[in-house]
Amino acid sequence: ETGVTQTPRHLVMGMTNKKSLKCEQHLGHNAMYWYKQSAKKPLELMFVYSLEERVENNSVPSRFSPECPNSSHLFLHLHTLQPEDSALYLCASSQEGASLTGELFFGEGSRLTVL
Amino acid sequence: AQKITQTQPGMFVQEKEAVTLDCTYDTSDQSYGLFWYKQPSSGEMIFLIYQGSYDEQNATEGRYSLNFQKARKSANLVISASQLGDSAMYFCAMREINYGQNFVFGPGTRLSVLP
Repeated sequence: ETGVTQTPRHLVMGMTNKKSLKCEQHLGHNAMYWYKQSAKKPLELMFVYSLEERVENNSVPSRFSPECPNSSHLFLHLHTLQPEDSALYLCASSQEGASLTGELFFGEGSRLTVL
Repeated sequence: AQKITQTQPGMFVQEKEAVTLDCTYDTSDQSYGLFWYKQPSSGEMIFLIYQGSYDEQNATEGRYSLNFQKARKSANLVISASQLGDSAMYFCAMREINYGQNFVFGPGTRLSVLP
């Protein structure tokens, strides 16, 4: 099993649909992240969960709703999205401790297209 | 102001040659970490190398080395003996002690290795 797995890899949805992105990490890490990668823009941090509690919410619109039921799973629930929400959504995990050395391990991303 | 600057949108290098990808950063923290990631066309972000702000020696990982110049706030990635598989987007990222688990990424440099 790869370290961080994201499903689906590709998703096309209408503006009125409800869908979810799923992320699973097999690394025993204690923190999980959602990043958004749009064309010609730096990666944008959306949410961070540490020990299953949300510790970062980077002014993300409420049409994006994260859920972290346990330390291995992270979801991003999508509802009434806009075409500008089309992007690559990357999930990552890390092992948080006292130092800054815990790098992010990323999944392969879910490419979302909103029609 | 951008925290991470990568001034080279695109770079070309001949196979087997060395290449330097630039990264400058902006922080007032004394304790921070710098990371480089590679993103092939598949989308997954692959961790390459880490440099801590208190590390006195430049980090090295195989063909990757980091030219860390703290006074200039630069952390350039050097890839030696380029291979065709090195063609990808490369992102510099920073994590500051006062910003918890917020990794900030630069806009990236697209490296193309020519045969």
